[in-house]
Amino acid sequence: DQQVKQNSPSLSVQEGRISILNCDYTNSMFDYFLWYKKYPAEGPTFLISISSIKDKNEDGRFTVFLNKSAKHLSLHIVPSQPGDSAVYFCAAGTNFGNEKLTFGTGTRLTIIP
Amino acid sequence: DTEVTQTPKHLVMGMTNKKSLKCEQHMGHRAMYWYKQKAKKPPELMFVYSYEKLSINESVPSRFSPECPNSSLLNLHLHALQPEDSALYLCASSQVRGGRIWKYFGPGTRLTVL
Repeated sequence: DQQVKQNSPSLSVQEGRISILNCDYTNSMFDYFLWYKKYPAEGPTFLISISSIKDKNEDGRFTVFLNKSAKHLSLHIVPSQPGDSAVYFCAAGTNFGNEKLTFGTGTRLTIIP
Repeated sequence: DTEVTQTPKHLVMGMTNKKSLKCEQHMGHRAMYWYKQKAKKPPELMFVYSYEKLSINESVPSRFSPECPNSSLLNLHLHALQPEDSALYLCASSQVRGGRIWKYFGPGTRLTVL
């Protein structure tokens, strides 16, 4: 049972435009969510997180939106840059802090110069 | 410093060998993790240490043995592995601060079992 889903395996966006990566989850017990960026053969790079008590969190070019009623979160990258090309994973966890993280299957983002 | 370091970067071992993977962080995080990642798949949790005590073991075979000697170090001891254990092994650490969580991964150890 895939509790965290990223339904778009790939996404191409023009440089300078907005990239929107989507993630859906089924477990209503998740109380925090994270986004990671990953290059091949490297560990995931933490980007941004959000707890379930918020609906938006911003950090530089990255903004994460959480819609709890729809069990949906999204990552917005504005403006998109060529260095943003990578695989992006969303992840969700419970007991805010030390517990298991469930990852989505990833979306490959390609930024077109 | 938001770095989690892992050694070695690459490891090739036979099925009868004993080896160890090492992970280190100096961010004061009290939760540390081992994940396993196969190609084109998301990371899968293996173990969680919280305050140097094993809090989660995701039914990992006993040929993988974790150890947390202190709050900055996490080891994964390997013995009698199988070729299907070949994967990228990731260490992570996390903390909650100001109502937000930060969880950082190391670069991983690429393990090949012959």
